[in-house]
Amino acid sequence: ETGVTQSPTHLIKTRGQQVTLRCSSQSGHNTVSWYQQALGQGPQFIFQYYREEENGRGNFPPRFSGLQFPNYSSELNVNALELDDSALYLCASSGVAGGPYNEQFFGPGTRLTVL
Amino acid sequence: GENVEQHPSTLSVQEGDSAVIKCTYSDSASNYFPWYKQELGKGPQLIIDIRSNVGEKKDQRIAVTLNKTAKHFSLHITETQPEDSAVYFCAALYNYGQNFVFGPGTRLSVLP
Repeated sequence: ETGVTQSPTHLIKTRGQQVTLRCSSQSGHNTVSWYQQALGQGPQFIFQYYREEENGRGNFPPRFSGLQFPNYSSELNVNALELDDSALYLCASSGVAGGPYNEQFFGPGTRLTVL
Repeated sequence: GENVEQHPSTLSVQEGDSAVIKCTYSDSASNYFPWYKQELGKGPQLIIDIRSNVGEKKDQRIAVTLNKTAKHFSLHITETQPEDSAVYFCAALYNYGQNFVFGPGTRLSVLP
C-alpha cells in the first residue's frame, strides 16, 4: 500500500507570486483534504476534495484554490502570496466522503517560505 | 464556532511513567476523535481514535477515553519511552466528515 506523498518538500517564494503544491493520495482513497500548519500550531483545514469536487472549505480566502484529478491526486494553488502564508502545507487522504468516520492519513507536508 | 482546546501545551515525564493529555471540544455533534503524533519534519501520524458510541479504547500502551456529556477526551500513554517524545494533537470531526478541527498540540518529552 502506497502512502500519501507530497511535492515539493520545500519551496521558497516571494510575496505576490503564485505557488502550486501537489499530493498523491493513499492507494484506494478518493478524498483529499488540505491543511495549513503554522509553526507551533495545529493544522488548520483549508478544503476537501471528493470525486474532483470541493466538498467543504475552511476559513481561507479565494486565493487558495484546489483541484482533484480522476486518479484522486490533488493540487493546492495559492495566488498573491503573503508573508503569513509561510507554513507547512499538509495533504491528508481518506476513503469515502460523506460519512462521519473518515480516518485521515497525512503526507509529510510541503514547507513553504514566503520572503 | 468550532473549537478544540488541549492541555497541557508541554509535558515532561520520566521514562516509564505515564502521560495524560486532555482535550475539550465545542460542538456536541462531533462523533469522531482521532489523536495524531507528529515528529520533527514529518506529517501527523494517526495513533488512535475513538468514536462517540464508546467510552474507552486501548491499543497496547495507548488508550483514549471519551466523555460526551462533558465534551472531554483524553490520551493516556503508559510506560513511556524516549521514542514517544513528539508533539501530540487531538482533533474532532465536524460538518459530517468534511473537516477536522485540531487542538494546538502538546509537546511531550520523555526523559531517559
